[in-house]
Amino acid sequence: GNSVTQMEGPVTLSEEAFLTINCTYTATGYPSLFWYVQYPGEGLQLLLKATKADDKGSNKGFEATYRKETTSFHLEKGSVQVSDSAVYFCALTGAGSYQLTFGKGTKLSVIP
Amino acid sequence: ETGVTQTPRHLVMGMTNKKSLKCEQHLGHNAMYWYKQSAKKPLELMFVYNFKEQTENNSVPSRFSPECPNSSHLFLHLHTLQPEDSALYLCASSRTSGTGTASYEQYFGPGTRLTVT
Repeated sequence: GNSVTQMEGPVTLSEEAFLTINCTYTATGYPSLFWYVQYPGEGLQLLLKATKADDKGSNKGFEATYRKETTSFHLEKGSVQVSDSAVYFCALTGAGSYQLTFGKGTKLSVIP
Repeated sequence: ETGVTQTPRHLVMGMTNKKSLKCEQHLGHNAMYWYKQSAKKPLELMFVYNFKEQTENNSVPSRFSPECPNSSHLFLHLHTLQPEDSALYLCASSRTSGTGTASYEQYFGPGTRLTVT
């Protein structure tokens, strides 16, 4: 079956630091890949997505590139802000499916 | 994000109570989902409805009973819950093709924080 593995948290960074959250996946065929973000007390929001190999998803300064050869979709941001403090979830939908498989989530705390 | 709304936002209920959670989507989607989010556990998919038909029930106990009267509304009826059912219950919606063969992102509501005492 499909699975998503993302780095264990929590991650604590100083403001303006570089962020990487690793995500690898197992799936047959060509899944679509997503990053969701959950701010405290809220539901999940779609942050970015990529639907085919070598696609780069980007939004709000965050980027992730769909790497078929390494089955990875790492999330990066060049300069984090306090307002980026949240839990980040990597997820996929298998080819021909609309159901999401989520990673366990990585909590990010950004301190001034 | 007001595309998917959930009520109530917080609910405290005793183990013998009966209550319902409501979800409404204003995005014109045709698939709706219930998820359970517990502390230190991955998100658990509970139920999926596609074009008002239930297509997934991930071994959820019968004390949780979903209802989808139309593509815009989804309910989760709760009765005789256990303390371990305390969690954040998230509703989501998405587009699908008629045969569910396309991969579309899901849009989530803010969740209902449920506490069972």
